[in-house]
Amino acid sequence: AQKVTQAQTEISVVEKEDVTLDCVYETRDTTYYLFWYKQPPSGELVFLIRRNSFDEQNEISGRYSWNFQKSTSSFNFTITASQVVDSAVYFCALRGQGGSEKLVFGKGMKLTVNP
Amino acid sequence: NAGVTQTPKFQVLKTGQSMTLQCAQDMNHEYMSWYRQDPGMGLRLIHYSVGAGITDQGEVPNGYNVSRSTTEDFPLRLLSAAPSQTSVYFCASSTSGNPYEQYFGPGTRLTVT
Repeated sequence: AQKVTQAQTEISVVEKEDVTLDCVYETRDTTYYLFWYKQPPSGELVFLIRRNSFDEQNEISGRYSWNFQKSTSSFNFTITASQVVDSAVYFCALRGQGGSEKLVFGKGMKLTVNP
Repeated sequence: NAGVTQTPKFQVLKTGQSMTLQCAQDMNHEYMSWYRQDPGMGLRLIHYSVGAGITDQGEVPNGYNVSRSTTEDFPLRLLSAAPSQTSVYFCASSTSGNPYEQYFGPGTRLTVT
């Protein structure tokens, strides 16, 4: 069975603080894909990043960075110098191999960035 | 290119009523899915389709029916609405191969009283 755990349910920070969102996954597949989505207060789901299981390079995109570690089955997401616009619910998700289009989501983590 | 569209955006139903949530995509994606989002539960897969004429159940299929007669459309039917089906529903589509990115619709907020 596949599972995604986001242990933190809610975090509140002050603007300009760095914040890391944890994601731990479980899968028996050797090929899989990990995703992060952002859901702002307006409700839509915004794709942030996709990482496949063969690419363990960390990625940086502006203030966002992702740390993928297969050894610990983790795919953590860090926001540097957080801003009020980063306030949202963030979801980590896993897609295994096998041909179907099933994304397994974590329960989400609500980030509030206060001015 | 409209992406994934969903109608309606909001709906209120009485217990026992039936309705269809519409989903359409114009990206010629083979794969389409329906998820529901409940507070503290993340998104859970209801039904999915890997192509026209092919559907399968996800994690929480009870009370819902789907069909896929065309590549573009993937409606979700509630046969007899129950308060437990109060939720936000998202439709998604993706290609069958890399990069496997799922494109989500804007969601439908359904309340069953």
